[in-house]
Amino acid sequence: GAVVSQHPSWVICKSGTSVKIECRSLDFQATTMFWYRQFPKQSLMLMATSNEGSKATYEQGVEKDKFLINHASLTLSTLTVTSAHPEDSSFYICSARSTASETQYFGPGTRLLVL
Amino acid sequence: QKEVEQNSGPLSVPEGAIASLNCTYSDRGSQSFFWYRQYSGKSPELIMSIYSNGDKEDGRFTAQLNKASQYVSLLIRDSQPSDSATYLCAVGASGGSYIPTFGRGTSLIVHP
Repeated sequence: GAVVSQHPSWVICKSGTSVKIECRSLDFQATTMFWYRQFPKQSLMLMATSNEGSKATYEQGVEKDKFLINHASLTLSTLTVTSAHPEDSSFYICSARSTASETQYFGPGTRLLVL
Repeated sequence: QKEVEQNSGPLSVPEGAIASLNCTYSDRGSQSFFWYRQYSGKSPELIMSIYSNGDKEDGRFTAQLNKASQYVSLLIRDSQPSDSATYLCAVGASGGSYIPTFGRGTSLIVHP
């Protein structure tokens, strides 16, 4: 149990385009979902926390207008990187916390390359 | 600011040895603690969670928690080369708001 999926697993796009990443909890309901970014050989960096049906809470330094988060249901959250630039290239990982416990389960990640 | 400290390593141990990974945290009110393993290029996967003082064992893994000392550790017995990865310590926030804080991770290398 406790499976989290992400789609797509990797994406290459041109500078200036927008990219949407989906995060789904497959076998449990997620009260809260988290979005992280990780650069090579760096630690996880929390970008934002989203609760179903409410606005996401962004960490300091993360532009909410650039990284749009929607948590429309208890099993789906989306992250849209708007007007992506090469410096946005990174490994984006979502995680979901079930309503039943405090444990976070991570998705497999999405590798974004902006040319 | 809540902090979770881990030695970045790398920690190098021979195959078959016990690997000991340590983590300290600053939020004295934290009640939940997690260890994740992250292979290079992959996302973290949960190894263990621990909530009470003492030891918790799961197969070759033992998590140890000492809230008084604000210290949590992970022991890996009979280490295997496949255990080579970065191990992340995560600490749940106190006060009912669950936003965990992750350490930067310890790189473990198990050599044959």
